[in-house]
Amino acid sequence: NAGVMQNPRHLVRRRGQEARLRCSPMKGHSHVYWYRQLPEEGLKFMVYLQKENIIDESGMPKERFSAEFPKEGPSILRIQQVVRGDSAAYFCATSLGNRGFRPESSGANVLTFGAGSRLTVL
Amino acid sequence: SNSVKQTGQITVSEGASVTMNCTYTSTGYPTLFWYVEYPSKPLQLLQRETMENSKNFGGGNIKDKNSPIVKYSVQVSDSAVYYCLLGDCTDKLIFGTGTRLQVFP
Repeated sequence: NAGVMQNPRHLVRRRGQEARLRCSPMKGHSHVYWYRQLPEEGLKFMVYLQKENIIDESGMPKERFSAEFPKEGPSILRIQQVVRGDSAAYFCATSLGNRGFRPESSGANVLTFGAGSRLTVL
Repeated sequence: SNSVKQTGQITVSEGASVTMNCTYTSTGYPTLFWYVEYPSKPLQLLQRETMENSKNFGGGNIKDKNSPIVKYSVQVSDSAVYYCLLGDCTDKLIFGTGTRLQVFP
């Protein structure tokens, strides 16, 4: 089991270009969370997706950012017209469960994290 | 609303014991996770605390409750960022800002 795979690990873009970050969940996981880690800050929630559905995007900037998790293939976080402030590490985490994090969910909702994708905007 | 607070940075010498606090407020029956982020590695689960295995949970509204993690006799290799996460009956986790532990030889 290869775990959660994110690629590319490092991505350099010039201002105005598009960035696409991919996240392949662990086998059997159908829930994907994206987090962003800005320099000198902690991890911040961006979006939560299940297969083909966005469940919660309350942490996503309103413009230029979008996410999808198609029926086949990885989840993609897309940033259009990147700006320097988008430079950050973007982490994906996946889980099995679909019942939130109540105690009775047992271990099903433990998150497994990818190694992250580091975006640098020149 | 639910929230999580953590100490920003702790610096100690090898062999010391360290307590990293996680102070949270929750309106439900929470689950707390501790994850550790070593340099250039994915976050790893350290500990999961639920209502069943903790004496801390009285149920209902919880305000400014502390659920620390303690590490004894730390080594330089324990230097990392330790995140506390709060989960509840919704599907969203709330991250603390992390505690950066620096251990010097």
